[in-house]
Amino acid sequence: DSGVTQTPKHLITATGQRVTLRCSPRSGDLSVYWYQQSLDQGLQFLIQYYNGEERAKGNILERFSAQQFPDLHSELNLSSLELGDSALYFCASSVGTPQDTQYFGPGTRLTVL
Amino acid sequence: QKEVEQDPGPLSVPEGAIVSLNCTYSNSAFQYFMWYRQYSRKGPELLMYTYSSGNKEDGRFTAQVDKSSKYISLFIRDSQPSDSATYLCAIWRNQAGTALIFGKGTTLSVSS
Repeated sequence: DSGVTQTPKHLITATGQRVTLRCSPRSGDLSVYWYQQSLDQGLQFLIQYYNGEERAKGNILERFSAQQFPDLHSELNLSSLELGDSALYFCASSVGTPQDTQYFGPGTRLTVL
Repeated sequence: QKEVEQDPGPLSVPEGAIVSLNCTYSNSAFQYFMWYRQYSRKGPELLMYTYSSGNKEDGRFTAQVDKSSKYISLFIRDSQPSDSATYLCAIWRNQAGTALIFGKGTTLSVSS
């Protein structure tokens, strides 16, 4: 158990809908990272927050947004969902910078029908 | 050219074999090199971490970095069925606003 929790584990929804994925980092970790994993693209970095502020941005679509709250938990919002958004979404946390060990949560499997 | 290239496999070996997993990268500015292991239906976990050229050993695992060739390797000695997983290389350059870049992963199967 990495200490990072993600909810829900599975999510099935329809195209055009909006969903929210939640992540609680390990105790003491200030950075939260969101990744998308698909068979064709592999593990793709989406966005990083550090102590409530956006720190780095990857290939995150404009339909996607995230935030980190004062208690350091984070939410990833996915809107206007498309079939291609079906993937595993991982949250990871670390003490601070990307070279610090990132601890990954169990992931949320999103299926868009 | 992708920043990190990794042969997806799959790679199947018998128990006890030496396994070699490899990645190449394109940007010489990359400084930190990691290997993550991901079991089926789980999140990745850090296996090895190095930031210099040369070898780093941890038990049955050896990470090797050749910065002149932009080539990183992970060797697994005396492979076990419990090593069956997907192995992802990850690299980072020490620059604010950047993040880890992962290879697509190599799926390894060790048969007993």
